[in-house]
Amino acid sequence: AQSVTQLGSHVSVSEGALVLLRCNYSSSVPPYLFWYVQYPNQGLQLLLKYTTGATLVKGINGFEAEFKKSETSFHLTKPSAHMSDAAEYFCAVGGRDDKIIFGKGTRLHILP
Amino acid sequence: DAGVIQSPRHEVTEMGQEVTLRCKPISGHDYLFWYRQTMMRGLELLIYFNNNVPIDDSGMPEDRFSAKMPNASFSTLKIQPSEPRDSAVYFCASTKTGYGYTFGSGTRLTVV
Repeated sequence: AQSVTQLGSHVSVSEGALVLLRCNYSSSVPPYLFWYVQYPNQGLQLLLKYTTGATLVKGINGFEAEFKKSETSFHLTKPSAHMSDAAEYFCAVGGRDDKIIFGKGTRLHILP
Repeated sequence: DAGVIQSPRHEVTEMGQEVTLRCKPISGHDYLFWYRQTMMRGLELLIYFNNNVPIDDSGMPEDRFSAKMPNASFSTLKIQPSEPRDSAVYFCASTKTGYGYTFGSGTRLTVV
């Protein structure tokens, strides 16, 4: 069975500050890991994914995430927050059957 | 590539009526997923198909919900009869094995 825990349903950061959104997963098989972003009244958009290989994954809009097997974590970071980054972010875990399980989401607020 | 197309974008119906949501996946994608999103429960996987065959429908809440995929380019999610607690945003997503999902823009269903 697979599951995802996102720490913090709401995170606020100042514009220009570091963004850190936390995600821990549980998986009985080697995981595929994903981060998605959802803007208001839109569907989810893939930010980045980890399948195999390099554990530091770069995505769109300056985001990156690092797969840490020993910590079962896949935290999302961005060095400098922009107002346009305000959205809801979902971490997800999947396996070879292509079904993926989503976390409950973290709403990111950017303070001017 | 037009992406995953869902229709209608908004649906308001009276309790007891039949509701049909439609989805056109991306051409060449072999998996199709139906999700429901609410504030209380987050993103819930309802059912998914592989090569038009339902693989896992354990997330379908009850017999009032049914889904079909008659061909590779079309799927429907039907609720009959609808109830106010079915009010939610319903998302369709498709993927090709090994890739992340592409989501549609969703159908916002309101049952009054």
